[in-house]
Amino acid sequence: GQQVMQIPQYQHVQEGEDFTTYCNSSTTLSNIQWYKQRPGGHPVFLIQLVKSGEVKKQKRLTFQFGEAKKNSSLHITATQTTDVGTYFCAGGSDNTDKLIFGTGTRLQVFP
Amino acid sequence: DTGVSQNPRHKITKRGQNVTFRCDPISEHNRLYWYRQTLGQGPEFLTYFQNEAQLEKSRLLSDRFSAERPKGSFSTLEIQRTEQGDSAMYLCASSLGRLRNEQFFGPGTRLTVL
Repeated sequence: GQQVMQIPQYQHVQEGEDFTTYCNSSTTLSNIQWYKQRPGGHPVFLIQLVKSGEVKKQKRLTFQFGEAKKNSSLHITATQTTDVGTYFCAGGSDNTDKLIFGTGTRLQVFP
Repeated sequence: DTGVSQNPRHKITKRGQNVTFRCDPISEHNRLYWYRQTLGQGPEFLTYFQNEAQLEKSRLLSDRFSAERPKGSFSTLEIQRTEQGDSAMYLCASSLGRLRNEQFFGPGTRLTVL
């Protein structure tokens, strides 16, 4: 079945450093979504990408969807302690509304 | 609208007992999803509904699991004859549909099977 993997599994950074997480799907996706889950919380929607090669920015966050629509990345510039949490990508397909969540990247930011 | 709500928030049960969880989605959302999440893992898809119709169920899901959404509003997830391996956070999410498929999650029900 479809699998979505993320690397790295963990990332510890000093506040102000940049951070990137990569997402790879075993199958071509119709869209990809990104979610953030704070410790003890539930996943919160960040963004959806639909087009091949699409790039979207939200303040310090930059999201990219690969040309082949099988991979994606999330880059955070100048991390802050409020960025702490686990970032999940979630892949969607044309024939279903379900999402397949990635394995997640846990970000820790030291002040 | 207060978002997606789930009850109970915590459930402790003994192995072999049946448990039922409830999810109330955002009122105008016609899609409702159930996920299971264990520590350090991403949410694992279980099943989803469009209104009252159950459109898809994970092949990994045991026959002990059943979900309903009888009036297309709230949903229940029942686990029969619970096992220790069922211990997890059970998350519910809802969305508007295909064109607006971002999912809004509830706080989850944490199940512990002793």
